[in-house]
Amino acid sequence: GENVEQHPSTLSVQEGDSAVIKCTYSDSASNYFPWYKQELGKRPQLIIDIRSNVGEKKDQRIAVTLNKTAKHFSLHITETQPEDSAVYFCAASILGAAGNKLTFGGGTRVLVKP
Amino acid sequence: EADIYQTPRYLVIGTGKKITLECSQTMGHDKMYWYQQDPGMELHLIHYSYGVNSTEKGDLSSESTVSRIRTEHFPLTLESARPSHTSQYLCASSLGGLGEQYFGPGTRLTVT
Repeated sequence: GENVEQHPSTLSVQEGDSAVIKCTYSDSASNYFPWYKQELGKRPQLIIDIRSNVGEKKDQRIAVTLNKTAKHFSLHITETQPEDSAVYFCAASILGAAGNKLTFGGGTRVLVKP
Repeated sequence: EADIYQTPRYLVIGTGKKITLECSQTMGHDKMYWYQQDPGMELHLIHYSYGVNSTEKGDLSSESTVSRIRTEHFPLTLESARPSHTSQYLCASSLGGLGEQYFGPGTRLTVT
């Protein structure tokens, strides 16, 4: 089955700096890679996703890049703000198979210091 | 309002009791999922469903069972709760070939 590894497990950045979280996956058939943000005591929420036919996607201050050959993808947050503090999870899935189930990485706790 | 709901939100129960965690969604989604998550830690898939009368075990072995008799309802049952079941249980749903999963607020279970 799919295995997703995520690094780092914790990340502390100064407000205004950039944050980068990296994930690797094992199953070359995976074709969908979402990122979820979970604030303390809240439910996970999708912040951005990318499909395997695209190498990069951007939405305001967040961007995701995908390298299918190396089987890794990354989340980039620019101009970080205190409200970006949360746990971020990457995931991988094969859309159209096995109920589109997601395999999650272990999470990265991001702390943005004002 | 279209959303996904879970009850109860918090539950403290003694060892050996039978419990059912409720999950309902009003978004018309065909697929539903149950995850187990210790606070702030990795999400582990324990059950999922393609649609009515279809259920599958997830990647994490679990002593729980699920049923899907109605599209909108996906309850999870523990026949005999144990302290090792103490965790947060998150329900989620998705639509068709779209990948995004919408999560419920979770049930925080404590077994004493």
